[in-house]
Amino acid sequence: GDSVTQMEGPVTLSEEAFLTINCTYTATGYPSLFWYVQYPGEGLQLLLKATKADDKGSNKGFEATYRKETTSFHLEKGSVQVSDSAVYFCALRVRGSARQLTFGSGTQLTVLP
Amino acid sequence: DAGVTQSPTHLIKTRGQQVTLRCSPKSGHDTVSWYQQALGQGPQFIFQYYEEEERQRGNFPDRFSGHQFPNYSSELNVNALLLGDSALYLCASSLKGATQETQYFGPGTRLLVL
Repeated sequence: GDSVTQMEGPVTLSEEAFLTINCTYTATGYPSLFWYVQYPGEGLQLLLKATKADDKGSNKGFEATYRKETTSFHLEKGSVQVSDSAVYFCALRVRGSARQLTFGSGTQLTVLP
Repeated sequence: DAGVTQSPTHLIKTRGQQVTLRCSPKSGHDTVSWYQQALGQGPQFIFQYYEEEERQRGNFPDRFSGHQFPNYSSELNVNALLLGDSALYLCASSLKGATQETQYFGPGTRLLVL
């Protein structure tokens, strides 16, 4: 079946540090890949996505590149801010399915001033 | 443009009771999906509704049922509540057939079963 594996947290960084959150996947078909962010007490917000191999999704300084050869979609940001503190979820959706998302377990990020 | 809304925000029930959660999709969306997010976990797909029918279901028992109304809003019903049903229930809406068909999530309903 489909699955997503994320690096375990929590991750604690100082402001302006470089961020990487690893994500690898297993899919029965050709997936689209997503990163969602969940701020405390809120629902999920789409952060970025990529729909085919070698695509790079980007938003708010975050980037992730769809690597089919390594089945990975690692999230990166060059300089994190305190406001980036949240839980980050990697997810996939296989084409031809009912558009359901399969999520990883999430990575808690805390950025200290 | 209103996003996805859910009600209630919080709910406390006891074992064996029944609960109904509600979701209104983002304006222009016609498909609603429900997810269960246990504490410290990623969301798990429960089912999806389109054209007032359940189109796909995840690995959840029949105690979980749903409905979609002609205005595309949706309800999630859970019967015979168990302690393990305590979770954040998320509704997501999308537009069937859209090129990217991105799912937009509501803030969730936090259910506590005592």
